[in-house]
Amino acid sequence: DGGITQSPKYLFRKEGQNVTLSCEQNLNHDAMYWYRQDPGQGLRLIYYSQIVNDFQKGDIAEGYSVSREKKESFPLTVTSAQKNPTAFYLCASSSGPSYNEQFFGPGTRLTVL
Amino acid sequence: AQTVTQSQPEMSVQEAETVTLSCTYDTSENNYYLFWYKQPPSRQMILVIRQEAYKQQNATENRFSVNFQKAAKSFSLKISDSQLGDTAMYFCAFTPSDTGTASKLTFGTGTRLQVTL
Repeated sequence: DGGITQSPKYLFRKEGQNVTLSCEQNLNHDAMYWYRQDPGQGLRLIYYSQIVNDFQKGDIAEGYSVSREKKESFPLTVTSAQKNPTAFYLCASSSGPSYNEQFFGPGTRLTVL
Repeated sequence: AQTVTQSQPEMSVQEAETVTLSCTYDTSENNYYLFWYKQPPSRQMILVIRQEAYKQQNATENRFSVNFQKAAKSFSLKISDSQLGDTAMYFCAFTPSDTGTASKLTFGTGTRLQVTL
């Protein structure tokens, strides 16, 4: 079945540690996205990537980094510089020609202890 | 910059009844897309319905329909014959019209819908 997988489902991190969230898709989509969801707020865009080896900052990129070495994969690293990293993280992908319909993964809940 | 506003944090509806969720947005774009996403307790985001701004006809998907008022920048979701499985958070979202590049979605803060017996 085609889809988007995110791992792990739950992740715990100590303050001061970097942590990487995985996102893989087998939909052959060109574009991939990372969103953050906090209680009482909608999803906010962290980073997005149109093609391999290219990515752009979203609205809340500070304290995060990404890579896009393969079309199928778009990992997100939450660095120690991110002041409030505890949140629910969602990965999404979309394809051309319009790219406007995004498909979401199941999400990763990150908790900083 | 675009903004999306959902003014109803929570709503409740009885099974088999109809409920309408409100969404307003602000943009200077003339062509764009609007979406309603559903997020059940599993937290999986599911696309419910999509509307293209240049289409005057309101989109429908089975029990789900929208009332799109472009001049008023309003995009409400109507759920008919509500079912217990409709219980979820509902998010309204906006993106500029397709440009052949990755689209950035702007989301509202969501409406929590509870369907009761």
